[in-house]
Amino acid sequence: DIQMTQSPSSLSASIGDRVTITCRASQNIITFLNWYQQKPGRAPNLLIYAASSLQSGVPSRFSGSGSETDFTLTISSLQPEDFATYYCQQSYSPPLSFGGGTKVEIK
Amino acid sequence: EVQLVQSGAEVKKPGESLRISCKGSGFSFSSYWINWVRQKPGKGLEWMGRIDPSDSNTNYSPSFQGHVTISVDKSISTAYLQWSSLKASDIAMYYCARESPHRYQLDVWGKGTTVIVSS
Repeated sequence: DIQMTQSPSSLSASIGDRVTITCRASQNIITFLNWYQQKPGRAPNLLIYAASSLQSGVPSRFSGSGSETDFTLTISSLQPEDFATYYCQQSYSPPLSFGGGTKVEIK
Repeated sequence: EVQLVQSGAEVKKPGESLRISCKGSGFSFSSYWINWVRQKPGKGLEWMGRIDPSDSNTNYSPSFQGHVTISVDKSISTAYLQWSSLKASDIAMYYCARESPHRYQLDVWGKGTTVIVSS
């Protein structure tokens, strides 16, 4: 099974900050890597798929990069509505595992 | 509108059986795998398994294999997650999600079903 490791597990940032979250796969997943945002009491929402493709309707301040085992989610200028938990997920092979999550909090 | 509508919250006793549902609308249900994801209170997302409505082919996470059953009735565009004997450790929110056939991302999610198991 493929293990997904996210870092950091939490971070504090201010409005307007550039935020970077990393995700590492235990084996090569090419670019079968997706990012989701989850706000308290809500279902997850797809942000980025195939490592760098922006899901329709998602603001352009969100971007993704990486390939093989190392991936990054970047928020270029943090907005109030971006405070949430972010998860990576590999869709290369089942079981389609998630990372442990990164909680983005207000500094 | 493309959506997945999940059944309501459940309160059950240990050892009871349960089936929760996920009904798709606004898209060709048989063309998309439906995934199930567990989230325990205050914890992260866990992928449980998925089903192809066109032929009922399933994949399960080893962590859930044998403890839950995923099924589908494509005639009514509904997927199911079933337990034969609930445990207190099954307390969680359960989400269904549609899997895109392009790069297998989970692009549409249900709002979730809360399952509480208490004696």
